[in-house]
Amino acid sequence: EDKVVQSPLSLVVHEGDTVTLNCSYEVTNFRSLLWYKQEKKAPTFLFMLTSSGIEKKSGRLSSILDKKELFSILNITATQTGDSAIYLCAVEAGTGSNYQLIWGAGTKLIIKP
Amino acid sequence: NAGVMQNPRHLVRRRGQEARLRCSPMKGHSHVYWYRQLPEEGLKFMVYLQKENIIDESGMPKERFSAEFPKEGPSILRIQQVVRGDSAAYFCASSPAGGRYEQYFGPGTRLTVT
Repeated sequence: EDKVVQSPLSLVVHEGDTVTLNCSYEVTNFRSLLWYKQEKKAPTFLFMLTSSGIEKKSGRLSSILDKKELFSILNITATQTGDSAIYLCAVEAGTGSNYQLIWGAGTKLIIKP
Repeated sequence: NAGVMQNPRHLVRRRGQEARLRCSPMKGHSHVYWYRQLPEEGLKFMVYLQKENIIDESGMPKERFSAEFPKEGPSILRIQQVVRGDSAAYFCASSPAGGRYEQYFGPGTRLTVT
């Protein structure tokens, strides 16, 4: 059965700290891995990763994929209270037009001032 | 360019009633996905549709749930004879095509069954 596991489930740090969120997966016919940030409502897209070893960056956020070890990490440096959210990892798996997203349970990140 | 729109944002139904949730994709997007989020759980895929076509409904409960995406108008997720366990947030996402395109999410509809 395809599965995506995120860790930790929750994390509390102080403003300015650096955090690393983990996402491991076991799926058949991997296509891509996506990171989303969910605040009060709908998730917002952060990154899509398809190739191993290529870091994607957006401001203080960065992410990398390891297709050999089947995991991805999301790094946030110099955290701010606005980074408090649930970070969701999803893996796109399937072939042709028959694919779907398998979601992790999320990491709840709380940044204390 | 308006984002994905969902309505209503909050819906309260009594047990046994029907719930209809609407999703208008982003302009230019022809692919729609429905997800359900239960408290303390991640998003669970329900169904993937293109215009007038259900592509993948492997996440849909076998009974009481149905979805459509007509040629004109929004996508509709319909839940008949709602039960308390249907209370959840239902998110719709759209993408311009299938495959390697990120999905953009709507604000969700929070369904409460009393």
